[in-house]
Order: sequence, then C-alpha cells, then structure tokens
Amino acid sequence: QQQVKQSPQSLIVQKGGISIINCAYENTAFDYFPWYQQFPGKGPALLIAIRPDVSEKKEGRFTISFNKSAKQFSLHIMDSQPGDSATYFCAASYDYKLSFGAGTTVTVRA
Amino acid sequence: DAGVIQSPRHEVTEMGQEVTLRCKPISGHDYLFWYRQTMMRGLELLIYFNNNVPIDDSGMPEDRFSAKMPNASFSTLKIQPSEPRDSAVYFCASSPGQGNNSPLHFGNGTRLTVT
Repeated sequence: QQQVKQSPQSLIVQKGGISIINCAYENTAFDYFPWYQQFPGKGPALLIAIRPDVSEKKEGRFTISFNKSAKQFSLHIMDSQPGDSATYFCAASYDYKLSFGAGTTVTVRA
Repeated sequence: DAGVIQSPRHEVTEMGQEVTLRCKPISGHDYLFWYRQTMMRGLELLIYFNNNVPIDDSGMPEDRFSAKMPNASFSTLKIQPSEPRDSAVYFCASSPGQGNNSPLHFGNGTRLTVT
C-alpha cells in the first residue's frame, strides 16, 4: 500500500516549459517532504525538501508547494531543460523512515 | 568523498542460490538503509540501522532476507535461497542522522536478476 500517491506517471514538456508533479499523503505523522531525482543507472539524489510549517520553498528553477490542510504537495520545474530529463520521486518521512511515491518520468524535448 | 559504494553493480544468479549484496556507507554517517526498487512496487524500505544496530526490519519481505552491519563501514544484504521474484535493483543509502530531515545519500544500486 503506497503511503504517498504521485501523479502523473510520466510527462513530456518542451524546453523552457513548466513541469508539474503532484503528490498526496494520508498519514499526518509525516513531518518532512523531500523530492528526489534519479537518472538511469544511478541512485536517487535529494533535489529539494520542505517541512509542513512552510507553504512554499524555492531553489533555483525548482519550487515545492505544500498544502497541509489538503495533505498535498507538488514540485514545479520552471524553464525545463533537457538535462532535467529524469525520474522524480516525492517522499514523506517520519521517524527516519522515508515512504516514496511511485515516480514521474519527465522528458524535456529540445 | 566517494559516496555510498555498492557491490556488485550487477548480479545474475539461479533460483535457489545465495546472494550477498554489499555496501560501504559514507564515513561518519550513523544511519544506513537498504531499499529495493521494482517497477511494480517502486522504492521500498527493507531495513535500517543506527550505529550498526538494526532499528526497523519490518520491510524485509520474508525470512529468506537478512541484513547485517558488523561495523560502521560495511553492511550486507543476503538472500538465501533466492527466487525470481527477488529480481530488482537494491539500493543502500546512508545519512548523517542529524534529525529526521537528514538527507539520504544513495549508492548506485545492485541490479539483481534471478533466473
């Protein structure tokens, strides 16, 4: 049973466009929400993370929006570049245990 | 910093054989995690250690799986006997453990194929 639901499964965006990935959770014990980026043949790498007392966090072209009441959070990739083509995982954590979403494969067309 | 090192990168074995996956965490990291990644189930936490002690093994699928951490720089995940449904990519990750929001640093995984 997936504790974090992620959508869409895949998306294609033109270079310069915006990629949006959505996640939802049920367990209110989660207190840390990271996003990981994974390239083929590599392990996931931390991209950006947010705590539930913050509604938005921005790092460069990547922004997390967090809605605590709706138990939803999303990743926005602005000005998408071909190098952003990867699989993105949202996750939620409590007690040092990370639960991952199913992943979204993002393809950026040049 | 060499990062988390896993070996082997690829392992092909026959059903019924014993398989041992190895991990060297980042020096100074107190937490070590074993994850399994499949298309059907995504990334699943199998077990994690704190200061070489297993803390939570509730994700270990069955008794055929066992994990050890004999010292701070080495951990193994063993499957005995292996079955085709164990085919997956197994990741090891370590964390400095400075609170619940410490980032996980993943290795590049071991791709296991059981025929």
